[in-house]
Amino acid sequence: QSALTQPPSASGFPGQSVTISCTGTSRDVGGYNYVSWYQQHPGKAPKVLIYEVSKRPSGVPDRFSGSKSGNAAFLTVSGLQAEDEADYYCSSYAGDINWVFGGGTKLTVL
Amino acid sequence: EVQLVESGGGLVQPGGSLRLSCAASGFTFSRYSMNWVRQAPGKGLEWVAYISSVTSDKHYVDSVKGRFTISRDNAKDSLSLQMNSLRADDTAVYYCVRDSDYAFHIWGQGTMVTVSS
Repeated sequence: QSALTQPPSASGFPGQSVTISCTGTSRDVGGYNYVSWYQQHPGKAPKVLIYEVSKRPSGVPDRFSGSKSGNAAFLTVSGLQAEDEADYYCSSYAGDINWVFGGGTKLTVL
Repeated sequence: EVQLVESGGGLVQPGGSLRLSCAASGFTFSRYSMNWVRQAPGKGLEWVAYISSVTSDKHYVDSVKGRFTISRDNAKDSLSLQMNSLRADDTAVYYCVRDSDYAFHIWGQGTMVTVSS
């Protein structure tokens, strides 16, 4: 049950695109199309942005997109806005009713 | 409005026990599997426990097996987490979370558990 690997920080200017990576193994990210991404503002509960690698719940802007290649998943935030500044976490189903999260990435809008 | 509201957090000594509760509203609670996810201060998220919707099949992260017990009462739309033999590294905000499609879609506001002497 090892955590997934995310870069601790990422940044971009308003209007730019930023991609955050999430690296796991064949037992989690690579083994299932059940990667999800969460946004968390300070002092708030996380909010789901992406599920099943690339699906967006209703109400999530299409500026947020997800993808996967092998044992790595990616979250891309396009057209960066000030309110996108937050912590972002990936998660993957890891089989046998077990989930793992990434360590989180702090996104700064410059 | 779909809502999850946790309660029961607080300060407890190492080795002590605490019971967290989560009240669900705005959806048919019995149709969904539920989870507890925690976040230590300044740290990332960690899935803790899962319970299925009807059969009450239960699963736990290795670090809490034998110490924590998840349960639910579908008649009362409530979820619980009984935490025994608490340790300092159990200190965290504990979130009640509804899952579907193998993702965590609905989160409560969280309840803080502090294990300290």
